[in-house]
Amino acid sequence: DAGITQSPRHKVTETGTPVTLRCHQTENHRYMYWYRQDPGHGLRLIHYSYGVKDTDKGEVSDGYSVSRSKTEDFLLTLESATSSQTSVYFCAIRNPGQNTEAFFGQGTRLTVV
Amino acid sequence: GQQLNQSPQSMFIQEGEDVSMNCTSSSIFNTWLWYKQDPGEGPVLLIALYKAGELTSNGRLTAQFGITRKDSFLNISASIPSDVGIYFCAGPGYNFNKFYFGSGTKLNVKP
Repeated sequence: DAGITQSPRHKVTETGTPVTLRCHQTENHRYMYWYRQDPGHGLRLIHYSYGVKDTDKGEVSDGYSVSRSKTEDFLLTLESATSSQTSVYFCAIRNPGQNTEAFFGQGTRLTVV
Repeated sequence: GQQLNQSPQSMFIQEGEDVSMNCTSSSIFNTWLWYKQDPGEGPVLLIALYKAGELTSNGRLTAQFGITRKDSFLNISASIPSDVGIYFCAGPGYNFNKFYFGSGTKLNVKP
């Protein structure tokens, strides 16, 4: 298994509270991604990072921010959680290039009540 | 962003049957990847395709990179209960930084 750890694995939080999800890798891959998975939508890209302190938005970035202060860690923050952010969140890592695959963590199930 | 459309959305089949699913894109992809997601897990790579027209097999799975570079196909022969899961097509965007996924095909196999 690729060395990717997501924490927490499950979280229930109240609307309006801040939440931070952590993705930690031991593979030294340059790219890291955050996706959310919802029924009927597949995996949608929230934000990604192409290096330390280098991040960019994906397709569904509103309401989310990210930070990457070191290669191993990529944090996803919901500044003020809403019920529409109830989802399963996946982190992925990848090396640069056209012919490289992404490896996934096991996911974090977040419920906003 | 680049859109990947998968069909069918879901399939209910009998054990032993063959399965076909496909993925189409609004723009050209230079790499097509097929992933499988088991319940409660993250997606895992099944097959990677790097050239238009390429046909690649992995056991009972066969995938093809469409000639137009805007589509790809995955076939599973003689399905078994452990084939149950969600199958995704995926690929890097035009600048190779972003990585896009289709909406998935949910496969159910009846023993």
